[in-house]
Amino acid sequence: AIRLTQSPSSLSASVGDRVAITCRASPGISSALAWYQQKPGKAPSLLIYDASSLESGVPSRFSGSASGTDFTLTISSLQPEDFATYYCQQSNSYPLTFGGGTKVEIK
Amino acid sequence: QVQLQESGPGLVKPSQTLTLTCTVSGGSVSSGSYCWTWIRQPAGKGLEWIGLICNSGTTNYNPSLKSRLTISLDTSNNQFSLSLSSVTAADTATYYCAREYDFWTDYYYMDVWGKGTTVTVSS
Repeated sequence: AIRLTQSPSSLSASVGDRVAITCRASPGISSALAWYQQKPGKAPSLLIYDASSLESGVPSRFSGSASGTDFTLTISSLQPEDFATYYCQQSNSYPLTFGGGTKVEIK
Repeated sequence: QVQLQESGPGLVKPSQTLTLTCTVSGGSVSSGSYCWTWIRQPAGKGLEWIGLICNSGTTNYNPSLKSRLTISLDTSNNQFSLSLSSVTAADTATYYCAREYDFWTDYYYMDVWGKGTTVTVSS
């Protein structure tokens, strides 16, 4: 199975900060990566698909990029509603797998 | 707007079979290039993919669950279901159903999710 290693597992940041979360895939997965946001007690919601495509309705402060087997989710200016847990997920091959998650907390 | 809603028992006894249903509204499970997937999440932990069925009838299961798992499509009721046999406490989790769509790429992504249903395995 493809292993996705997310880092950091948690971070503290302030409103307005630029935040980056990394997901490393082993082995490689082409561009087949999605990012999801999950708030407490809620289902995950899709932010980014195909490594860098923004899902409809998602604010433009969210962006995704890829470099080889490393994928990055960037929030350009953290807003109060962005405090949540973020997961990466690969769709390259079965079984589908998720990263361990990154919890973004208020500093 | 497509919506998904999970339903099923909140409590299941060890060794029994867990059956969950996901009802799709605002769209058809049998139209378009979609697949329908199940994911679970133990309390305070990460997400685990369980398996999926496409509207072609093709299924794919997580190898860790494959021997106990069946996912089926009920087009007449616009639903899909999960059946997990011989459950143990390790199967206690919130279970989500989701739609997978290809966004005109080579891959499928989970673009619509149900709210989730919590299942506890206990005697």
